[in-house]
Amino acid sequence: DARVTQTPRDKVTEMGQEVTMRCQPILGHNTVFWYRQTMMQGLELLAYFRNRAPLDDSGMPKDRFSAEMPDATLATLKIQPSEPRDSAVYFCASVGQGARGNTIYFGEGSWLTVV
Amino acid sequence: AQTVTQSQPEMSVQEAETVTLSCTYDTSESNYYLFWYKQPPSRQMILVIRQEAYKQQNATENRFSVNFQKAAKSFSLKISDSQLGDTAMYFCAFGWAKTSYDKVIFGPGTSLSVIP
Repeated sequence: DARVTQTPRDKVTEMGQEVTMRCQPILGHNTVFWYRQTMMQGLELLAYFRNRAPLDDSGMPKDRFSAEMPDATLATLKIQPSEPRDSAVYFCASVGQGARGNTIYFGEGSWLTVV
Repeated sequence: AQTVTQSQPEMSVQEAETVTLSCTYDTSESNYYLFWYKQPPSRQMILVIRQEAYKQQNATENRFSVNFQKAAKSFSLKISDSQLGDTAMYFCAFGWAKTSYDKVIFGPGTSLSVIP
């Protein structure tokens, strides 16, 4: 089964450290999303790419967050420096044709804890 | 701006019974998609059902069906014959469709507990 792959699955880091999360979208999917999930805010759209170009990153705090897609098989989300309020689950998702039409496929998420 | 609202933070249902989860949305777009996603404790996001706005017929997927009321901007999910494995967070989502997806946003979620 094709799937979206995210690393790391879980990460605990100290405040001030750099964190990089990686995502491999499903081969052939040209739209990639980054979402952040917290208890308070739910699922927030941070950024998304089409054909590797960033279309919208208005949901992302620009001072410390950056998202890139250096090639079609890799999307990255970087936080530098990390803060405790960044603790959340970060999901990558890609969009492609499923049996039921265009479908969003999610990775398993990266659970980030900043202490 | 597009918004998605789920007014029921938590719900419970007896096993084998039927439950309906509510979702409303606001948009000025005419071409869009709606989804329901399920997130069990494993935190994996699983597509439950998908509805295209131009289709009048309500989507169904086994025990899951939707009541799509386009004029009212309502998209509720009905789960029939509830099973213990249906216990999860359920998210309603809205996607703009132009040539493909431009953006997909999610509601705050409804936590559903199926009681034995």
